[in-house]
Amino acid sequence: TQLLEQSPQFLSIQEGENLTVYCNSSSVFSSLQWYRQEPGEGPVLLVTVVTGGEVKKLKRLTFQFGDARKDSSLHITAAQPGDTGLYLCAGGGNFDLYNFNKFYFGSGTKLNVKP
Amino acid sequence: DVKVTQSSRYLVKRTGEKVFLECVQDMDHENMFWYRQDPGLGLRLIYFSYDVKMKEKGDIPEGYSVSREKKERFSLILESASTNQTSMYLCASIGNLGSNEKLFFGSGTQLSVL
Repeated sequence: TQLLEQSPQFLSIQEGENLTVYCNSSSVFSSLQWYRQEPGEGPVLLVTVVTGGEVKKLKRLTFQFGDARKDSSLHITAAQPGDTGLYLCAGGGNFDLYNFNKFYFGSGTKLNVKP
Repeated sequence: DVKVTQSSRYLVKRTGEKVFLECVQDMDHENMFWYRQDPGLGLRLIYFSYDVKMKEKGDIPEGYSVSREKKERFSLILESASTNQTSMYLCASIGNLGSNEKLFFGSGTQLSVL
């Protein structure tokens, strides 16, 4: 079972539509990161959120960390074809038994924005 | 530009072969990671290293080993490749393990074991 559950797994929308991707867990994380991965490339960091309730904006992308630091969402306004890719959330947690800040990844949301 | 370089983009190997996947970073990072990525499963941690000659098992270490003889290089070894090790392998590095640090990833190696 995944420590972080992402939904939806797949999303295909028209250019100009809005969308929200969710990342949920029953565990508390000290930070949560969102990455975007394009075909044939490694993931690239979009944002890190560290405070419960924190909201960060990156142009048309809005990221929110849940108050209890167990979940996060990514909202894209007026999606464009250039937003197409695999979106991954990753939790870094001090709850880990080994005391290392290991990153646990969700299974990803594959977004396709059609022109 | 900071860089994590994986030696091969595509590899095809036969069952039972010994396979080496190499990763080099130029950021003087202490921490390096090997993940495998499979559809629907996200990234799963195989091994990580927090210093030269130090290594720790991740969540799925079976069938793999690693080597970190120099700070900049972290190698993943498949002692006897099997078909269930066909996957995309991603190397990553990070400086300090603080909550504001980010993982830098290589472009990945798509390994096919026949």
